[in-house]
Amino acid sequence: AQKVTQAQTEISVVEKEDVTLDCVYETRDTTYYLFWYKQPPSGELVFLIRRNSFDEQNEISGRYSWNFQKSTSSFNFTITASQVVDSAVYFCALSDRDDKIIFGKGTRLHILP
Amino acid sequence: NAGVTQTPKFRVLKTGQSMTLLCAQDMNHEYMYWYRQDPGMGLRLIHYSVGEGTTAKGEVPDGYNVSRLKKQNFLLGLESAAPSQTSVYFCASSYLTGTSGVTSSYEQYFGPGTRLTVT
Repeated sequence: AQKVTQAQTEISVVEKEDVTLDCVYETRDTTYYLFWYKQPPSGELVFLIRRNSFDEQNEISGRYSWNFQKSTSSFNFTITASQVVDSAVYFCALSDRDDKIIFGKGTRLHILP
Repeated sequence: NAGVTQTPKFRVLKTGQSMTLLCAQDMNHEYMYWYRQDPGMGLRLIHYSVGEGTTAKGEVPDGYNVSRLKKQNFLLGLESAAPSQTSVYFCASSYLTGTSGVTSSYEQYFGPGTRLTVT
């Protein structure tokens, strides 16, 4: 069965610190996709990244980076030099052979000035 | 493009009343979804549709019905609202989701949400 676990319910860091959000997934399929979404205080859901199971290269986009490790079934998200605008709830999600995307419960990130 | 829109944005219902939430997308996406978001529970899938005329149950379908008569619209109905249905409802659409028989799965685009309170 599909499952996405975000063990960190809430994290607070001081601005400019680096922070890593953990995501562990379960699937029996060999082909699957992983996603990260951001939900700022305004409430909308914003897509950040999509990664397929055959591509284990880490990805960097500005201050954001993602570490995908199939050996540990993890897809962790790191924000470098965090900013107050990064304060949001972040969701990890999984899509495999089913026609749907399953979300984790989210990690609420507070960046303190 | 408007993307994904939801109507209404806010609604207050009394227990037992009925209502329909409308989701519309102008991206010609095949797949559409309804989620509910409750504190500490993340996004839970209510129902979804993989194409016009099709619907399927998600994780928490009880108390809800859906219809997809047109490709661009996905309606979520509450026949007899209950306080447990107080939540924020999100609609989403996707070009393609799932890897069965295909090689890719695409991200979902979300509407702005509908805040529903049942008293």
